Amino acid sequence: SQKIEQNSEALNIQEGKTATLTCNYTNYSPAYLQWYRQDPGRGPVFLLLIRENEKEKRKERLKVTFDTTLKQSLFHITASQPADSATYLCALDLRGDTGRRALTFGSGTRLQVQP
Amino acid sequence: DVKVTQSSRYLVKRTGEKVFLECVQDMDHENMFWYRQDPGLGLRLIYFSYDVKMKEKGDIPEGYSVSREKKERFSLILESASTNQTSMYLCASSDRDFDGYTFGSGTRLTVV
Repeated sequence: SQKIEQNSEALNIQEGKTATLTCNYTNYSPAYLQWYRQDPGRGPVFLLLIRENEKEKRKERLKVTFDTTLKQSLFHITASQPADSATYLCALDLRGDTGRRALTFGSGTRLQVQP
Repeated sequence: DVKVTQSSRYLVKRTGEKVFLECVQDMDHENMFWYRQDPGLGLRLIYFSYDVKMKEKGDIPEGYSVSREKKERFSLILESASTNQTSMYLCASSDRDFDGYTFGSGTRLTVV
């Protein structure tokens, strides 16, 4: 069956370290992949989009990679801060697989940055 | 500041009631979406719309319907609320290129 997996439910790291979150998918060929941040009780907030023909994208302390051979995206937060603590969601555009132009989301990884 | 506004943050309804969840966006976006979010299940797509009066089923449309009479407004209707529809409901919109969704703050619906 088709699946999107984010590496773990929770990730704890120390302030100043780099957080690396993983998004793996099977049986899909997404046109692009997006990452969102979600705080408790709030809607997700868009962070970054990376297309299938791009290997890497950066925005300030954020970096996303996209490996269509491994069917994996890595999301990095460098010099992490307690304010980065949140749940991070990956989302795939599956128009090529389903004909549907609406994002399919993973269940998220909760990141906790300890001071 | 661009916004997606959902009419209620918290809602409690009784089983069997007809429930309307309203969503309004001020960005002139073509696309609008309704998701529900449950612990461990992530966001699941209920319905979406590419244009006024257009609607498409998502992954879990059963028990729901939608209405899009105006470009800025997308309503989710629970025809006869049931306890398994207790959830966080999230509305989102995007431009015609689907680049980056803007979400509302969500409506936490409890059906008793």
